[in-house]
Amino acid sequence: GAVVSQHPSWVICKSGTSVKIECRSLDFQATTMFWYRQFPKQSLMLMATSNEGSKATYEQGVEKDKFLINHASLTLSTLTVTSAHPEDSSFYICSARDSMSYNEQFFGPGTRLTVL
Amino acid sequence: AQSVTQPDIHITVSEGASLELRCNYSYGATPYLFWYVQSPGQGLQLLLKYFSGDTLVQGIKGFEAEFKRSQSSFNLRKPSVHWSDAAEYFCAVGEVQGGSYIPTFGRGTSLIVHP
Repeated sequence: GAVVSQHPSWVICKSGTSVKIECRSLDFQATTMFWYRQFPKQSLMLMATSNEGSKATYEQGVEKDKFLINHASLTLSTLTVTSAHPEDSSFYICSARDSMSYNEQFFGPGTRLTVL
Repeated sequence: AQSVTQPDIHITVSEGASLELRCNYSYGATPYLFWYVQSPGQGLQLLLKYFSGDTLVQGIKGFEAEFKRSQSSFNLRKPSVHWSDAAEYFCAVGEVQGGSYIPTFGRGTSLIVHP
């Protein structure tokens, strides 16, 4: 099956720094990728939809200047948490939609961000 | 807007017992429905999905789910639970956009398996 990777799997940073998370589709091309945020013991909340070569579409309440998304190629999307604060600590999960199969998304293993 | 309700936060079963996880959805049209499993610290793995056709859907790891339109439900079942099934289970309904879908997730049900 299709594989999506995320890097890093876990990152700890100081408050005020920026952190970049990568999401890669390893064996398929993804014109669309999604970024989710998951708080402990809670569901996944869609943050934004990332389209290759164009600006991301953010969900209501998500600060686009805070969470910068770049989808520069068909296999890579990045999420940069700018000027991170402790309240940004969370589990961030990406998913990628296979361009040849519009009906399924494949999820990455997630990145745990801890901001001190 | 679509929504998903998983009424049970936790479910505890003994190994070898049967399992049913409940899911109710709200969606105006014929829904795309999914069940995902998440092990601790991991991403989501698709167990099964329903798009159309047979309302009883077979998935991986011995799971199945039945779509009941009259009850707006898509409950997940397994006849005999294994200890390795302990995980978080998410039901999702997909809103169709341009031939694809964007899932909305329920809050999840944590499955605890006793030996």
